[in-house]
Amino acid sequence: GENVEQHPSTLSVQEGDSAVIKCTYSDSASNYFPWYKQELGKGPQLIIDIRSNVGEKKDQRIAVTLNKTAKHFSLHITETQPEDSAVYFCAAIWYTGNQFYFGTGTSLTVIP
Amino acid sequence: KAGVTQTPRYLIKTRGQQVTLSCSPISGHRSVSWYQQTPGQGLQFLFEYFSETQRNKGNFPGRFSGRQFSNSRSEMNVSTLELGDSALYLCASAAQDRDTEAFFGQGTRLTVV
Repeated sequence: GENVEQHPSTLSVQEGDSAVIKCTYSDSASNYFPWYKQELGKGPQLIIDIRSNVGEKKDQRIAVTLNKTAKHFSLHITETQPEDSAVYFCAAIWYTGNQFYFGTGTSLTVIP
Repeated sequence: KAGVTQTPRYLIKTRGQQVTLSCSPISGHRSVSWYQQTPGQGLQFLFEYFSETQRNKGNFPGRFSGRQFSNSRSEMNVSTLELGDSALYLCASAAQDRDTEAFFGQGTRLTVV
């Protein structure tokens, strides 16, 4: 199977600063990498994803980069706002279907 | 377009009982996956169904089972509940059979006492 590691486990930033969360995966057969945001009492919400044939993807203040050679991908949030405070999970899909392997999560706190 | 619906939202059960959780995927989605979320173990894959067939299964004991109906709705069952089964159970639906966006429901919070 796949093994996904995520760092850091907690992250505090000042409002307006950038936040970066990093993940590594073990299986080169993985080819789809989503990021989820989970707020308290809610299910994970898909915020951005990237496929293995793309190196970078951006959606307004959120971007994801993928380095297939090094097997790592990162989430970048710019101009952070208090409503960005949540737990963020990275994931990798193994080639056999829709089975996600999740990282352990990063608790992001944006300080006003 | 309605999202993924899980029922019930909360459940309290006693050790030894069994429980059934329900998930209605987004209309048109044929893949349903189940995950267990706990503070200590994070999000762990239970199983995935596509067109009524179980395609993948995680490393959980046989007490955990599931099924999918012809309308893509899915149920998971846990028999002989243990205290350690207390968790948030999440269902995710996807449109295609692989490598595609998956959308989660709000989850069912199961507490075993």
